[in-house]
Amino acid sequence: QAVVTQEPSLTVSPGGTVIFTCGSTTEAVTSGHSPYWCQQKPGQAPTTLIYDTSNKHSWTPARFSGSLLGGKAALTLSGAQPEDEADYYCLLSYGGPWVFGGGTKLTVL
Amino acid sequence: EAQLVESGGGLVQPGGSLRLSCEASGFSFSSDWMNWVRQAPGKGLEWVANIRQDGRDKYYVDSVKGRFTISRDNAKNSLYLQMNSLRAEDTAVYYCARAKLASWGQGTLVTVSS
Repeated sequence: QAVVTQEPSLTVSPGGTVIFTCGSTTEAVTSGHSPYWCQQKPGQAPTTLIYDTSNKHSWTPARFSGSLLGGKAALTLSGAQPEDEADYYCLLSYGGPWVFGGGTKLTVL
Repeated sequence: EAQLVESGGGLVQPGGSLRLSCEASGFSFSSDWMNWVRQAPGKGLEWVANIRQDGRDKYYVDSVKGRFTISRDNAKNSLYLQMNSLRAEDTAVYYCARAKLASWGQGTLVTVSS
């Protein structure tokens, strides 16, 4: 099965902008992979911010947005807040099986 | 409001079996693909399996193929994961999640140890 790649860690200043990326070792990421982005805070179950590349759930803060960028999926956080400090995971569909990336630890500092 | 409640976790010896359940409420369970996702202690998320609305299509991560079976009972709004030949590396919190990962349960801990 494919390996999904993410940055191990990112740091952003409060109010700043940060871009998370999600790649696949076997092919360029497209909308066909239905990219998902999930957030997980310590001791909590994950919550899903983005599905199908760029769609938001009703609870997704407006400062989060999803897109495709240079053969990867991307999650942009504009105007970071202290409460955004968390682990972020992307998930790609491979026509049946899904694969999570290793996750990115975001520090807001 | 959609809700998912997992149960069935616990301590099991290597080679043993366990059946996880996930009870759904607050949404049309029979209309959604359903998923199992796990997280080993201190590690990232790993997708385990999913199942189509009518149960006819099922997919698994390679590491559990032949050992785990996902199933569902739409009349009971319930999702299951039968886990056989358990290994230490199956130790994790197991979450069920609905289509679009719109809802997640709180998870149930499975510990495989002698």
